[in-house]
Amino acid sequence: QSVLTQPPSASGTPGQRVIISCSGSTSNIGDNPVYWYQQLPGTAPKLLIYANDHRPSGVPERFSASRSGTSASLAISGLQSEDESDYHCATWDDSVNGPVFGGGTKLTVL
Amino acid sequence: QVQLQESGPGLVKPSQTLSLTCTVSGGSISSGSYYWNWIRQSAGKGLEWIGRIHTNGSANYNPSLRSRVAISLDTSKNQFFLNLRSVTVADTGNYFCVRTPAYSSSLFRPWGQGTPVFVSS
Repeated sequence: QSVLTQPPSASGTPGQRVIISCSGSTSNIGDNPVYWYQQLPGTAPKLLIYANDHRPSGVPERFSASRSGTSASLAISGLQSEDESDYHCATWDDSVNGPVFGGGTKLTVL
Repeated sequence: QVQLQESGPGLVKPSQTLSLTCTVSGGSISSGSYYWNWIRQSAGKGLEWIGRIHTNGSANYNPSLRSRVAISLDTSKNQFFLNLRSVTVADTGNYFCVRTPAYSSSLFRPWGQGTPVFVSS
C-alpha cells in the first residue's frame, strides 16, 4: 500500500486531455515538491516533471503538472499513442524521513 | 553523462541475504553532493524506496526495511551496494539503483535499467 494515492488506471483517445491525480497528506505533498515519472513498458522510470511543475529538457510542453494543498496532478494534452505508459508521483515525506511514491497509474490510449 | 548498472544474483532463497551491486560510470561516485539510492518495484505495483547513501558515506533507510537493510559504497571501485537480509517472497521484484542530488531528494535521475530478483526455494 503506497503512501501517495493514484488511480490505478486512466484512459483517453488521441488528442484528448487526460489528468492523473496524486493525493497525499500534510507530511508529504503538503510540505514538499512533487515529482512525476513516466515508465514505459519494460523500462526504468524517467523523470517527467520536477519541483511540482517544471519540465526537464526534452519533455514536450503537452505535459504539465500542478500541486495544491495535499494533492497534485499531471495533465497530458493532445494525447498520443506513445504516451501509453505508467505514471508515478513522488515526494519527500517528513514522517518517513525519505521519499515516497504513489502506486502508479497505467494510462491507456484508446 | 553518468550511467548506473545493477548486477547481482537473480535468484535468492528465502531467509538468505540479497546482495546487489550498482556500478557507476561516466563520473565519480564521490564527486559532488549526491545520494545513491536503491528502489524496488514488485510485479504490477508501485515503486518503493529502500534507502540511500550519501557521497560522504552516511546512509538512511525506509523505516519498513531498516532492520534488514544495509547500503554501502566503495569509492575506489565507483560502486555502491545493497544487502537485504532474511528475504521472503515479498522481496521479489525489480531493483533499481538511482542517483538524487542532495538538494532535491526526490529528483531521481539517472536510473539503472533495473535487475530482477526472485525469492524462491
